[in-house]
Amino acid sequence: GAVVSQHPSRVICKSGTSVKIECRSLDFQATTMFWYRQFPKQSLMLMATSNEGSKATYEQGVEKDKFLINHASLTLSTLTVTSAHPEDSSFYICSAPDGSNEKLFFGSGTQLSVL
Amino acid sequence: GENVEQHPSTLSVQEGDSAVIKCTYSDSASNYFPWYKQELGKRPQLIIDIRSNVGEKKDQRIAVTLNKTAKHFSLHITETQPEDSAVYFCAAIPGGSYIPTFGRGTSLIVHP
Repeated sequence: GAVVSQHPSRVICKSGTSVKIECRSLDFQATTMFWYRQFPKQSLMLMATSNEGSKATYEQGVEKDKFLINHASLTLSTLTVTSAHPEDSSFYICSAPDGSNEKLFFGSGTQLSVL
Repeated sequence: GENVEQHPSTLSVQEGDSAVIKCTYSDSASNYFPWYKQELGKRPQLIIDIRSNVGEKKDQRIAVTLNKTAKHFSLHITETQPEDSAVYFCAAIPGGSYIPTFGRGTSLIVHP
């Protein structure tokens, strides 16, 4: 199946710093990328949908100025957690639908720990 | 919007037993139903999926059934093995909109 590469896998940072997470589709073009947040033992919470060449669509309650999403090319989408605080600590994971726009392929996730 | 309910939240079975996880959905426009397996700290992996024009699909020890009228679908794992232990998520995706709605997940524990 299709491969979505996500980096970094783990980040530990100080409160107030910004963290950028990258997701790349390696063998297909991802015009859309979904960004999720997952707390321990909980489901995937959709944060936003990024679309190549246009503004991301954020879910209700997600601060767009806090979680900056950029989808500058058909293979790369980034999520930047700005001025991170301990409550932002979580597992962040991206996913992209394949050419059929149905099968979702996930990145490997990024465990963010804000001290 | 779509609402997906998943039960049970935790399922503990003995090795060799069968496991069944059930999901219901609310949007009749949903026509694609994938199941994902997620091991701790790893990415969800698609294990099986079913489309609304099919009632059942099987892949070795895993099967999925769909009842469109009742709006529910189930995952069946037979002859469970310890390596089946993981969190399983169901999802529903409406036709024309590929944004999935996930269930809350089921933690399956298979005891050797």
